[in-house]
This record gives sequence, structure tokens and C-alpha cells, in this order.
Amino acid sequence: NAGVMQNPRHLVRRRGQEARLRCSPMKGHSHVYWYRQLPEEGLKFMVYLQKENIIDESGMPKERFSAEFPKEGPSILRIQQVVRGDSAAYFCASSPFKGNEKLFFGSGTQLSVL
Amino acid sequence: KNEVEQSPQNLTAQEGEFITINCSYSVGISALHWLQQHPGGGIVSLFMLSSGKKKHGRLIATINIQEKHSSLHITASHPRDSAVYICAVRSQGGSEKLVFGKGTKLTVNP
Repeated sequence: NAGVMQNPRHLVRRRGQEARLRCSPMKGHSHVYWYRQLPEEGLKFMVYLQKENIIDESGMPKERFSAEFPKEGPSILRIQQVVRGDSAAYFCASSPFKGNEKLFFGSGTQLSVL
Repeated sequence: KNEVEQSPQNLTAQEGEFITINCSYSVGISALHWLQQHPGGGIVSLFMLSSGKKKHGRLIATINIQEKHSSLHITASHPRDSAVYICAVRSQGGSEKLVFGKGTKLTVNP
């Protein structure tokens, strides 16, 4: 049973390009969470999704950021027209139930914007 | 003031020492998580607490809901325990949103 898979591990983009970060949850997990870790800062919640639904996007910036978790395939965090301030580590976690005791984290995607 | 405060920010210990990391929070919560972030960046969930105490191997986590405080203890510390330990709380009201502390960087020297 593979763990939470995130890809790519490292992503380099130039200002103005789009970044697409993928997260495949553990098998049987239908709840996905995205977090961002800016340099020298703590983790920050971005969005919580269940299959085909966004449940809580209160941590997402109002513009340029979107997330989806389709019926088939991985969850995608999409950042349009990236800026240098978007450079961060983006982590995804999954769980089988809401309020589950344990979250399973992916290894993260390090986004660098040049 | 952050909703979740951890202390100390950095901690250096000798192998074998007993370690305590503290977490204080200012909001009503439904649960508190302790996480471990390895030097390579990977994050592992250690505990989720809503009351009392939990133990797993050499790790012990306690929470005092009235005082809005939790502690993570490591007994007989080892260099492989070197990591950043992060406290995170889930607010009351059914939200799944976690609010994180900034972490405590632990270094255990041989």
C-alpha cells in the first residue's frame, strides 16, 4: 500500500508561468488536505477536499490558486501566473475519514519561482 | 500573537536526555496533533489528542484542555530523534482546518 505520492518533488517555474502540483492519496483515502510551508515559516492550511468536492478553501489565496480532486486521478493544486512569493514547499496529506486520528503526508513539492 | 505557540524554538540535547517540548494555544479546540518533520522535509503524524495522555514507544504526549497546553516528551533521546516537532490544533465546530505552531527544532548529539 503505497503512501501519499506527490509529484513532482521539485518544480522550477519562471514568473508568470503556471504550476501544477499533484497528490495521489493513499488507497482508500477520500479526504485530501493541502498545506504550504514558506521559507522560515510554519505550515499553513490551504484547502480541504473530498472526492469531487471542495469542503474548505479558507486558506487559499483569493486569486491564482485553485484545487481539485476529481473522481478519477490525483488531486491537483494549480497556481497560475506564479510570482516569487509562491516559492515554498507544498505538502499534501490524506485520511480515510473526516477528523481521522492520523494524517498521512506526502514528501512535498518544492516550488521555486525564478 | 499566534494562535499556537511552541517552546523552545530550538533545543539541543545529549543522547539519553529526557526532552520536553511545549505547545500553548489560545482557541477552543477539538483536537491537537503532534507532527515530526525530518531534515529531508518529510512529515510524520505522531499523535492526535483530545484529552489526557498517549504513549508510543519513547514518545509521550499530554494535553491539559483547561490550561490550553500540551507537551511532547521524548525519553532516552537518540540522535535519530533530531527533527522539527510541530504542534497543530483543530478548532471546535467541525472544521478540518489545522493551525500550526512554528515548530521546535531538536538536535540530539551523540
